[in-house]
Amino acid sequence: GQNIDQPTEMTATEGAIVQINCTYQTSGFNGLFWYQQHAGEAPTFLSYNVLDGLEEKGRFSSFLSRSKGYSYLLLKELQMKDSASYLCAAMDSNYQLIWGAGTKLIIKP
Amino acid sequence: GAVVSQHPSRVICKSGTSVKIECRSLDFQATTMFWYRQFPKQSLMLMATSNEGSKATYEQGVEKDKFLINHASLTLSTLTVTSAHPEDSSFYICSARDRTDYEQYFGPGTRLTVT
Repeated sequence: GQNIDQPTEMTATEGAIVQINCTYQTSGFNGLFWYQQHAGEAPTFLSYNVLDGLEEKGRFSSFLSRSKGYSYLLLKELQMKDSASYLCAAMDSNYQLIWGAGTKLIIKP
Repeated sequence: GAVVSQHPSRVICKSGTSVKIECRSLDFQATTMFWYRQFPKQSLMLMATSNEGSKATYEQGVEKDKFLINHASLTLSTLTVTSAHPEDSSFYICSARDRTDYEQYFGPGTRLTVT
């Protein structure tokens, strides 16, 4: 079956770095997405990886290893506004997104 | 670019009534639109996928006669919750995919409360 695993909750300190891991198993693979979702709001797009390696975008970076079925989202210089849920989603062979349950990130001062 | 709107943003209705939620892609043509439901502190759950001009494909466990989806044009899809009950209270989110891109662009969501 298809499955996405990511931690339920993580806590980090303002100004620090945090890495949110995601492992996936899908029928075929057409890329890995990361979305940010603040409470009561819709998800917003953060990154898309389809090739192995690290994609850097400002304070956020995303990494993909297709052979390991593994991705991570790296957040640097954490700010209080980064407190949110981070959703990992893998696109299968039918171009459908398979969603993880999300990782709630709590930032402490 | 790639803006998706939803209307209404919030709706309160009485049990037994029907509610229609609109999802529009404002600056691109959405060949495919998705409808999600999200209960508090839970992840997104895909309800159905709709392609313009054809019938929606519903996920297992989603009643197609209760959640009517119409994707009549490349910029508009509607979800009608028929005979709503309190357990249908949830956050409904649509997303749209451009024919040239695989990214899904999300609407702001509609919070439905059934009393």
